[in-house]
Amino acid sequence: DAGVTQSPTHLIKTRGQHVTLRCSPISGHKSVSWYQQVLGQGPQFIFQYYEKEERGRGNFPDRFSARQFPNYSSELNVNALLLGDSALYLCASGQANYGYTFGSGTRLTVV
Amino acid sequence: ILNVEQSPQSLHVQEGDSTNFTCSFPSSNFYALHWYRWETAKSPEALFVMTLNGDEKKKGRISATLNTKEGYSYLYIKGSQPEDSATYLCAFMVNNAGNMLTFGGGTRLMVKP
Repeated sequence: DAGVTQSPTHLIKTRGQHVTLRCSPISGHKSVSWYQQVLGQGPQFIFQYYEKEERGRGNFPDRFSARQFPNYSSELNVNALLLGDSALYLCASGQANYGYTFGSGTRLTVV
Repeated sequence: ILNVEQSPQSLHVQEGDSTNFTCSFPSSNFYALHWYRWETAKSPEALFVMTLNGDEKKKGRISATLNTKEGYSYLYIKGSQPEDSATYLCAFMVNNAGNMLTFGGGTRLMVKP
């Protein structure tokens, strides 16, 4: 059974561009969460979606948006990229009571 | 803003040593405390989810305790092995925050053979 899959694995963008990151949860999992991890820090919560509805939003600007599709996969969109958006973006699925399963992440570099 | 602190930031031990790390979190509105192990070039892997004050969990040589009243959790590794080398993250969840995890900065463990 495939785990949480994320694409692409690496991405280089220029300041001002936008980016779309994709995540497929474990089969049967209806929730997807997105986290941003900057080197040397712990992951920081961006969004959680459950059954296509936003259930939680972290302290990120409106340039960050996300959505969840009927098959429970999800996209994270970031507009007007800044150098500070360079990070590892992690997707997780599952239930809080059992611990989340994370993907391997997308490494975004903004130049 | 929730503050989750982990100490130490990094730790070098010899194979066979036992070690422990600390996670400190706010003691109010507690819902759950997660521990994850994150090996280089892999995904974070859930170790424990702890919800009750006084909880003790164990998985092989790794165990964890929880004190919600004073806001801390300890992770213990008995007889460290090189394959235990990883970053250990704790994450705190409050009871009204939509399943959001607030992570600490992690403890990076390196076990020398």
